[in-house]
Amino acid sequence: GAGVSQSPSNKVTEKGKDVELRCDPISGHTALYWYRQSLGQGLEFLIYFQGNSAPDKSGLPSDRFSAERTGGSVSTLTIQRTQQEDSAVYLCASSLAMDRGYEQYFGPGTRLTVT
Amino acid sequence: GNSVTQMEGPVTLSEEAFLTINCTYTATGYPSLFWYVQYPGEGLQLLLKATKADDKGSNKGFEATYRKETTSFHLEKGSVQVSDSAVYFCALPNQAGTALIFGKGTTLSVSS
Repeated sequence: GAGVSQSPSNKVTEKGKDVELRCDPISGHTALYWYRQSLGQGLEFLIYFQGNSAPDKSGLPSDRFSAERTGGSVSTLTIQRTQQEDSAVYLCASSLAMDRGYEQYFGPGTRLTVT
Repeated sequence: GNSVTQMEGPVTLSEEAFLTINCTYTATGYPSLFWYVQYPGEGLQLLLKATKADDKGSNKGFEATYRKETTSFHLEKGSVQVSDSAVYFCALPNQAGTALIFGKGTTLSVSS
């Protein structure tokens, strides 16, 4: 079946602009996660959704970052007033449930470059 | 909170060599443990997992055993191939179970 998809695959933006990154999880997966992968910081958790609510958003680095999920499916990560340090690969993952035994399935990522 | 420590790379091997990538963890209770792999130009994918102590996860010739006595989950393969060249990540859930915590990743390069 279809895996997790993300769009765009690449995004180049100027410092100070807003960007929106989209994630389509695997159908039926109620849990959705956003991570960020950068050379210096490795893989960092950003936010977790169960259905449309976000019980854990502790990884969002600043109030410039926000995310929403609608219909228990598609999620959008928004970064306002982008900074150069926001440059990274943003990964979305989904899983069947918030259970410690369920593996997360990752999308291909969106590579964000802030110039 | 939970944490994971993974051996630093890069690891460079010849084809058919034996591979070990060390991973140790700190955790409350006995969470599931995972190895993920990222092939060049591709996304993260699950390689194997173990859900309880003494479990052995295996896939594609790779194995890892959940050892609670040594709090370890080392990845092994008896005979690596060039196609195994990738970055390998050890991971476990955070204490709340809301995210995975990843090691820094180990880059494996296999030459023929």
